[in-house]
Amino acid sequence: EVQLEESGGGLVQPGGSLRLSCAVSGFTFSSYALSWVRQAPGKGLEWVSTMSATSSTTYYADSVKGRFTISRDNSKNTLYLQMNSLRAEDTAVYYCAKPHRTTVTTPWDYWGQGTLVTVSS
Amino acid sequence: EIVLTQSPATLSLSPGERATLSCRASQSISSHLAWYQQKPGQAPRLLIYDASNRATGIPARFSGSGSGTDFTLTISSLEPEDFAVYYCQQRSNWPLTFGGGTKVEIK
Repeated sequence: EVQLEESGGGLVQPGGSLRLSCAVSGFTFSSYALSWVRQAPGKGLEWVSTMSATSSTTYYADSVKGRFTISRDNSKNTLYLQMNSLRAEDTAVYYCAKPHRTTVTTPWDYWGQGTLVTVSS
Repeated sequence: EIVLTQSPATLSLSPGERATLSCRASQSISSHLAWYQQKPGQAPRLLIYDASNRATGIPARFSGSGSGTDFTLTISSLEPEDFAVYYCQQRSNWPLTFGGGTKVEIK
């Protein structure tokens, strides 16, 4: 059974940092690009970042470029999102997501339950 | 950035009725469009990929069509569990983008 489980969310002050983790199981982690998608309270979905299966390529939304860093540890089956210089507008539920095929832009058929990040003083 | 515009924002229908949701792209995205369903407090669920292909386990009452800039998600006969928010998403160009969503509510 495919499972993705995010952790690391919480309350942080503006300008602070947080690292999210996504532990996965049930599929060959090293074969799939993985992504982070967020959803602000009461709002729609926003793609945040994607990392290729081999970690060779990363993609970021303009809204987080230069502040967030995606990484993965294929030996631990874990995806990360390092978030620095956090702003109020980064407040959201952050989901990690797996695509239904190995192509990097393939839509996501498995999602974690999400972890809430709240940026507030 | 490719902008996806979904309409209507809200669709009020009764169980058993047909739902037709629209997604328009600001430029051609070929057939690189997906549809997701999201219920309150839950993660999104992939319904349709590449405009017209149902994802694994998705009932046949869900169908997608379109190419280029205009796409449609049709639910042929609404079941009680289908009342939710639906998002389209393109994978043609970076950044990957979502539409603003259509809420299908019970009339």
